[in-house]
Amino acid sequence: AQTVTQSQPEMSVQEAETVTLSCTYDTSESDYYLFWYKQPPSRQMILVIRQEAYKQQNATENRFSVNFQKAAKSFSLKISDSQLGDAAMYFCAYRSLTGNQFYFGTGTSLTVIP
Amino acid sequence: DVKVTQSSRYLVKRTGEKVFLECVQDMDHENMFWYRQDPGLGLRLIYFSYDVKMKEKGDIPEGYSVSREKKERFSLILESASTNQTSMYLCAARGGGLTGELFFGEGSRLTVL
Repeated sequence: AQTVTQSQPEMSVQEAETVTLSCTYDTSESDYYLFWYKQPPSRQMILVIRQEAYKQQNATENRFSVNFQKAAKSFSLKISDSQLGDAAMYFCAYRSLTGNQFYFGTGTSLTVIP
Repeated sequence: DVKVTQSSRYLVKRTGEKVFLECVQDMDHENMFWYRQDPGLGLRLIYFSYDVKMKEKGDIPEGYSVSREKKERFSLILESASTNQTSMYLCAARGGGLTGELFFGEGSRLTVL
């Protein structure tokens, strides 16, 4: 099974600053999908951003962007202009091109300091 | 987007009780999942279903079973709840499209006394 590693259990950022959350994964496949999910306190988990491994261009969604380094098997999430509403648990996830199963990291708890 | 609804946000049960966690999706998607979420362990897959009456074990199926009689409904069953099953349980449905991301319910926090 593929493994997804988030080495930062907790991170903090000042409001309006930029923060980067790390994620690495292990796979022998060449094509796959990567995701970042956000889980606010006591609220539903939602998709933040996704990346197809066959696309070299890094995905961007408003203030959220990724740094996808395929050779290094690294998929970090950058949050620019951090807002109080960004405070949440963030999970990195992997899915193979043809598989049904998703593999999740252990999560990073992000605190935004006013 | 897919709407996924879990029937109970909070449950308190006693050891040995049978527990049903219900999950309903509002789209015609085949794939549905049950995860368990514990601090420091992330999300661990219990079971998933890729069609009606079809199921596959995930990484931690012991002590759990599932039922999928209708496409929109996927139930997680704890035949005899134990204290080590105290956890947050998340149901998800996989959407369509190229990447097929997961859509999650709000979660069911189960406490077993």
